[in-house]
Amino acid sequence: NAGVTQTPKFQVLKTGQSMTLQCAQDMNHEYMSWYRQDPGMGLRLIHYSVGAGITDQGEVPNGYNVSRSTTEDFPLRLLSAAPSQTSVYFCASSYYSQVPRGNSPLHFGNGTRLTVT
Amino acid sequence: KNQVEQSPQSLIILEGKNCTLQCNYTVSPFSNLRWYKQDTGRGPVSLTIMTFSENTKSNGRYTATLDADTKQSSLHITASQLSDSASYICVVSSPRGTDKLIFGTGTRLQVFP
Repeated sequence: NAGVTQTPKFQVLKTGQSMTLQCAQDMNHEYMSWYRQDPGMGLRLIHYSVGAGITDQGEVPNGYNVSRSTTEDFPLRLLSAAPSQTSVYFCASSYYSQVPRGNSPLHFGNGTRLTVT
Repeated sequence: KNQVEQSPQSLIILEGKNCTLQCNYTVSPFSNLRWYKQDTGRGPVSLTIMTFSENTKSNGRYTATLDADTKQSSLHITASQLSDSASYICVVSSPRGTDKLIFGTGTRLQVFP
């Protein structure tokens, strides 16, 4: 199993540009989520999905869109990039029943480092 | 407000020494507490998950403790190795609210030879 795969690993955008961060998992997990990690702050939830066709907002959803057409894929779209979106983005997945009560961990990808100039 | 606080922010130790990282939380209600290891440039990887009824849980040289009464947890690393150099993140799970997983800011551990 490849686990959770994120692409690209690095990206530089200019203010106002749009792009899609890709995330795929091969563990048949129902639950998938996107986090951003900024210096001095804990990981913050952007959007999450508990299954194909179902998405919901997290703590910091503004400026981002998601869709979940398949169990495997959960892309994150930046509509009009802003410097405040410079961050490291992590995709994570788990069995839904394990979040938050269960003993199965979140599996994270290795992140996309995004810089917006 | 649900919060998870970790200390120290950073720690430097010599290879072979032991160390203990602390996690205090105010999350309520509580489901479980998780410790993750994050190597530089990589995503977090789970070390342990502890439920309310578990006081101690080990994973090799890593031992986590949980005191649900005082809302404190610790992660003890025994006989540290250079590969232990990483950030260690404490995560508390709650069944309520949008952010069911509340992340601490992490402790950055550096192990020198």
